[in-house]
Order: sequence, then C-alpha cells, then structure tokens
Amino acid sequence: DQQVKQNSPSLSVQEGRISILNCDYTNSMFDYFLWYKKYPAEGPTFLISISSIKDKNEDGRFTVFLNKSAKHLSLHIVPSQPGDSAVYFCAATNPQGSQGNLIFGKGTKLSVKP
Amino acid sequence: DADVTQTPRNRITKTGKRIMLECSQTKGHDRMYWYRQDPGLGLQLIYYSFDVKDINKGEISDGYSVSRQAQAKFSLSLESAIPNQTALYFCATSDHYGYTFGSGTRLTVV
Repeated sequence: DQQVKQNSPSLSVQEGRISILNCDYTNSMFDYFLWYKKYPAEGPTFLISISSIKDKNEDGRFTVFLNKSAKHLSLHIVPSQPGDSAVYFCAATNPQGSQGNLIFGKGTKLSVKP
Repeated sequence: DADVTQTPRNRITKTGKRIMLECSQTKGHDRMYWYRQDPGLGLQLIYYSFDVKDINKGEISDGYSVSRQAQAKFSLSLESAIPNQTALYFCATSDHYGYTFGSGTRLTVV
C-alpha cells in the first residue's frame, strides 16, 4: 500500500510557464515533507522541504504548498527552465517517530521544452 | 570528494554470483540507507541502519544483506544475484531532516 503517491508519471511544460507537481499521502503521522530532484546517472538531490506546521515554503523559483486536511502537497516551479527537466520525487517522514525513514513516491518526470 | 561515495558505479554480474556494493560517507551522520530504483517504481528502501550496531529491514530486503562496518561505511550484498535484482542502487545518509544520496550503482545481473 503506497503511503506517498505521485499519480502523474510525467509532465511536459513550456519554458517560462509554471510547472505544478502533485503528491498525496495517506499516513497522518507524516509531519515533514521533501522534494528531491534527480537527473539521469546521478543520485537524488534535495530541493525543498516543508514542515507540517506550515502551509507554504518558498525558495527562489520553487514553492511547496501543503494541505494537511487533504493530505496533499504540490511543488510549483515558476518560471520553468529547460534545466529543470528531471525526475522529481516527493518524500514524507516523521522525523521524531520510531523510524524517521523517508517514504518516496514513484516520481514525476518533468520535461521543460524551450 | 563527494559526501557519499558508492563503488562500483557500474557492474555486470552473472546469475548466482555474490556481489557487494560499498558505500562510505563523510557527513558524520549516524543514519545510513540503501535504496533501489526501478523504472516507474520510485525509490524503495532495502535496509537501513541508525548506528553501527543497528540494522533494520526495509520494504524489499529479501535477497539482500548489509553490513555496517563503521559509522562511515555501509555495504550491501547480494548473496546469489538474480536477474530481477537488475536496478539502480543508491546509498544515502541522513540526520533527522536531511538526506544526502550517493551517485548510484547500476547493477545488471545477466
């Protein structure tokens, strides 16, 4: 049973437009959420995170929104650039819990076209 | 030097062979992990370790074993490799909030 779901395997966006990547989770114990970006032949790299006490966190062109009641988060990239083309993984955890492991979604492949 | 180093980067091995993937980290973190990535399946946790004396199974531990030789070293073994273990393997280390991944080992079992 998937605890973190990214229902869109792929997304294609025009350069300069907004990219919106979505993620849903089922475990109400999760209280910290992260997005990772992965290029081919490289390991995932941390992009942005949000704690459950917030509903928005912004870092430059990247903003993550959290809707706890809907158990939904989204990553917005504005404006999108060709270099943003990568696979984006949503992850969730409960850092203070007994495990504190990251649970990953299956990823969304973003293609930003010039 | 990379914070998390995995060796080898690529490996082709035959069915039934034993193979070890190695990981070392310079972050000084206690927690280390092994993940497997298959196309369309995201990252699945194989094993994790919260300190040198701690080993825990993840979602897909069958067919794998690990050894935490030191705080900085965490190795993954396939005792008898099979073709469906062909995948990209990632080692990671973390404190409570941040994960750092290695560049991955591409393993092909023929």
